[in-house]
Amino acid sequence: DGGITQSPKYLFRKEGQNVTLSCEQNLNHDAMYWYRQDPGQGLRLIYYSQIVNDFQKGDIAEGYSVSREKKESFPLTVTSAQKNPTAFYLCASSIVTGARTGELFFGEGSRLTVL
Amino acid sequence: AQSVTQLGSHVSVSEGALVLLRCNYSSSVPPYLFWYVQYPNQGLQLLLKYTSAATLVKGINGFEAEFKKSETSFHLTKPSAHMSDAAEYFCAVSVGGTSYGKLTFGQGTILTVHP
Repeated sequence: DGGITQSPKYLFRKEGQNVTLSCEQNLNHDAMYWYRQDPGQGLRLIYYSQIVNDFQKGDIAEGYSVSREKKESFPLTVTSAQKNPTAFYLCASSIVTGARTGELFFGEGSRLTVL
Repeated sequence: AQSVTQLGSHVSVSEGALVLLRCNYSSSVPPYLFWYVQYPNQGLQLLLKYTSAATLVKGINGFEAEFKKSETSFHLTKPSAHMSDAAEYFCAVSVGGTSYGKLTFGQGTILTVHP
């Protein structure tokens, strides 16, 4: 079945450490996104990519980095510069043209806890 | 810039009762509007979307929403609640065009269904 796979599902990190969250999709979607979810705040866009080897900052990109070397993969690195990284991270993908434009397909999320 | 406000962070209904989740949006251009549902520790799933066609939109699981431009609203309803509807619901807005997938989400409404 096609879908989006995020790993790991749970991750613990010590302060000062970088951590990378994996996101892989087999939906053949051109666009991929990373959102951060905090209780009572909805979802906020961290980074997005519309095409391989290109990506743009979202609303809360500080302290995060991404790469898009393959269409299927969009890993997110949470760096030590991110002051409050404990959150639920969601990866999503979408097509860029046609009737289903704007519909996001989400992975099951990665919960990061900083100890 | 666009924004979304969901009125009520928690809504509680009895099984079989009407479900009404409120969403108001702000957008300088005709919006695309979405409702997503999230079950605990999972990603989001699209319930329905409005993209300037019919103002009454029917979605999955018996949900529907009505776009009212004069009220800048896109409230979600279901005639009869089921226990399985208990989840968190998010309203989202996009301005479409080159900003397809860049959704702005509301804060979320947690729906509780009592037997």
